[in-house]
Amino acid sequence: QKEVEQDPGPLSVPEGAIVSLNCTYSNSAFQYFMWYRQYSRKGPELLMYTYSSGNKEDGRFTAQVDKSSKYISLFIRDSQPSDSATYLCAMIVSGSARQLTFGSGTQLTVLP
Amino acid sequence: GAGVSQSPSNKVTEKGKDVELRCDPISGHTALYWYRQSLGQGLEFLIYFQGNSAPDKSGLPSDRFSAERTGGSVSTLTIQRTQQEDSAVYLCASSLLGRPNEKLFFGSGTQLSVL
Repeated sequence: QKEVEQDPGPLSVPEGAIVSLNCTYSNSAFQYFMWYRQYSRKGPELLMYTYSSGNKEDGRFTAQVDKSSKYISLFIRDSQPSDSATYLCAMIVSGSARQLTFGSGTQLTVLP
Repeated sequence: GAGVSQSPSNKVTEKGKDVELRCDPISGHTALYWYRQSLGQGLEFLIYFQGNSAPDKSGLPSDRFSAERTGGSVSTLTIQRTQQEDSAVYLCASSLLGRPNEKLFFGSGTQLSVL
């Protein structure tokens, strides 16, 4: 079983929809949680970052972490065609700079 | 440069040949990472360099894979005797200090195809 599980999709939504992307994990030592966005033929870029449990909002994006359930979510409000990309969750144990553990990514298409 | 630069962007090789992939990190970044991304898979950690410390090679899948970082800057990932299962996108990333909560800056990757 993978340490981080993410539904690969693909997920297709109409423009303006609310999108919910999710990951579950098994390692309770994870403390830092990130969401990376990856456009086709590009490297991932950091979208959101949260530490421990709670919510974080940045414009149309909200990241949620529920450590008790080992579950993290990314919500995209008023989705736009430019949001079409692969979204990867990533997490890391506190004190370890060695590596992030990534989910496999969810491919999202927002239809105009 | 402004970002992480990787070359070549695409590499097609024959099974059994050696390949070298290059990464030029952001100037001043002390930490450098190599990841591999196969179709439909997440990013698989390969190797991590931090300053002058010994690299963390724990993610390298076999002894055919090696990497070096010269002068704390440019890094080269070498794959010897390539196999078809080595086909993937190889991504390089750098960060300022290598701390857990730091943003990683990724290059656009090298798409490696082994025929």
